[in-house]
Amino acid sequence: AQTVTQSQPEMSVQEAETVTLSCTYDTSENNYYLFWYKQPPSRQMILVIRQEAYKQQNATENRFSVNFQKAAKSFSLKISDSQLGDTAMYFCAFMKRTGNTPLVFGKGTRLSVIA
Amino acid sequence: DSGVTQTPKHLITATGQRVTLRCSPRSGDLSVYWYQQSLDQGLQFLIQYYNGEERAKGNILERFSAQQFPDLHSELNLSSLELGDSALYFCASSVDSYANIQYFGAGTRLSVL
Repeated sequence: AQTVTQSQPEMSVQEAETVTLSCTYDTSENNYYLFWYKQPPSRQMILVIRQEAYKQQNATENRFSVNFQKAAKSFSLKISDSQLGDTAMYFCAFMKRTGNTPLVFGKGTRLSVIA
Repeated sequence: DSGVTQTPKHLITATGQRVTLRCSPRSGDLSVYWYQQSLDQGLQFLIQYYNGEERAKGNILERFSAQQFPDLHSELNLSSLELGDSALYFCASSVDSYANIQYFGAGTRLSVL
């Protein structure tokens, strides 16, 4: 079974600064996907970024980027130029690259962006 | 807006009762997933349907059941409700069983009193 661990229950960052959220996972699979989802106070789960394990290049989406270390089973999220709207719970998630597989989520990190 | 619609947004009921949560997937999506988000258990997968058939099962209690209808909407039925069933229930959809992006609805907040 796969497990996802987010070791930082809460973090805070000043507006315009950079913050990194940590995630580690455990799996015996070789082909999989990793995701970061954002859950703002509205409760909506919003996909932030996706990484395919077979790709060595780290994924980037505007101010969001990841540091994917496959051997270390580490998948951190870096948010640059933090904005007040980035305040949310952030969940790291794992999915096997075969069909009919659900997402396995970490417990989440609550990020507060301070003005 | 993800395109996934869940109703109702909030549901308050008493222990022992039965409720039905409804999900309409994005247009064209054949696969529907149900997840439960609670304070103590976090986000957990319950069950997946693909084009009307059950495809995967997670930590779903026997008191819970689901189905997907010919028009592809899905319902999650929760019966003999207990206080511990209070949670946020999410539906997500994807285009097929092999798609790696799931789009989430806004969730249904269930409060069992």
